[in-house]
Amino acid sequence: QSVLTQPPSVSAAPGQKVTISCSGSNSNIRNNYVSWYQHLPGTAPKLLIYDNNKRPSGIPDRFSGSKSGTSATLDITGLQTGDEADYYCGTWDSSLSAGVFGGGTKLTVL
Amino acid sequence: EVQLLESGGGLVQPGGSLRLSCAASGFTLSSHAMTWVRQAPGKGLEWVSSISGGGGTRYYADSVKGRFTISRDNPKNTLYLQMSRLRAEDTAVYYCGRDPRTLTGYLNIDSWGQGTLVTVSS
Repeated sequence: QSVLTQPPSVSAAPGQKVTISCSGSNSNIRNNYVSWYQHLPGTAPKLLIYDNNKRPSGIPDRFSGSKSGTSATLDITGLQTGDEADYYCGTWDSSLSAGVFGGGTKLTVL
Repeated sequence: EVQLLESGGGLVQPGGSLRLSCAASGFTLSSHAMTWVRQAPGKGLEWVSSISGGGGTRYYADSVKGRFTISRDNPKNTLYLQMSRLRAEDTAVYYCGRDPRTLTGYLNIDSWGQGTLVTVSS
């Protein structure tokens, strides 16, 4: 049981938009920065979003993040088949004094 | 170019010990907090431990507290994870990661290694 809750899977057609949610609590999402990662099996995870809504250099603006209260959201627009991967949200939990990840969301581009 | 290269994984019996290393290059290790993250077979990412840039602050997941020790040798550009009293549920790919900040208390990993597999089995 993950501290952060994500939907197990989402799907959409190429060119469409998908939203992945991440639900937490006051001790984690509300009071700490959220990051998002893309993970393809057998490879190193990749940082997509940090500090709630900032993109590292090289990450296309098709990926965007937001946070409101105890929830965060990753939006991916203009879906491509290459976006098929597992996506994780992560943050710090001040009560646990620990990092926490969501359970992961598998994105399928139909 | 930032590079992180894990080593030290392998097969170990339950109750045994293993030390993972993460060799860093392309940046000044002491300027960055570092983190270990693992992924068990068929499971999601799990945060394991973080250490501040100077090494003075360390945090552990409850699942490994008292059994794992994170450390760093900044002059040698290397991060370590000493794992003892290993259990079957510690079987996973272990990744080291770099945080852009020096202090811990964040989860923001901007560079990751390729991972090293640890298998705990008799």
